[in-house]
Amino acid sequence: GENVEQHPSTLSVQEGDSAVIKCTYSDSASNYFPWYKQELGKRPQLIIDIRSNVGEKKDQRIAVTLNKTAKHFSLHITETQPEDSAVYFCAGEKLTFGTGTRLTIIP
Amino acid sequence: DGGITQSPKYLFRKEGQNVTLSCEQNLNHDAMYWYRQDPGQGLRLIYYSQIVNDFQKGDIAEGYSVSREKKESFPLTVTSAQKNPTAFYLCASSPRPHTASDQPQHFGDGTRLSIL
Repeated sequence: GENVEQHPSTLSVQEGDSAVIKCTYSDSASNYFPWYKQELGKRPQLIIDIRSNVGEKKDQRIAVTLNKTAKHFSLHITETQPEDSAVYFCAGEKLTFGTGTRLTIIP
Repeated sequence: DGGITQSPKYLFRKEGQNVTLSCEQNLNHDAMYWYRQDPGQGLRLIYYSQIVNDFQKGDIAEGYSVSREKKESFPLTVTSAQKNPTAFYLCASSPRPHTASDQPQHFGDGTRLSIL
């Protein structure tokens, strides 16, 4: 099956700084890459996704970039705020999730 | 998004018992999924169903069973054969089968299962 690796496993950034989380995937045929945010004790929620026909997608302070040649995609959060603290998961098209990144925003 | 309802929120099981976790969706989604989440780990797929009366094993199906008799319901039974069932279980649905692109998933609030 598809293998999705996510790094780093934990990330702490000062409030207002940017955070970047990276995922690599193994299946070159994959075309859809979602990112989920899971706050403590709550359900994962889709925050942004990207399809292989574009290299970047932005939604306010979050963006996702995709490099199909290198088979990696990244989540970028700018101007981080305390409410961005959560666990973030990437996923491949075949329902394989990364192991998650615990992001902590330091006030 | 209250489209997926999981119950109960907390569940306790004695050794040797089977327990069933409920998942109901009113989103009219074709596909439904069960994931297991352990501390510090990602979501691992247990079973999924693309259509009523059909389901497939995921990566960690051993010790679990499912049924899909109705489109809106996808219950998961944790059997006594599952030796380490303590985990957080998440149910999800998506509009189309997972083999298609463009299939964001909606998750329920989860059930936390513990062994007494």
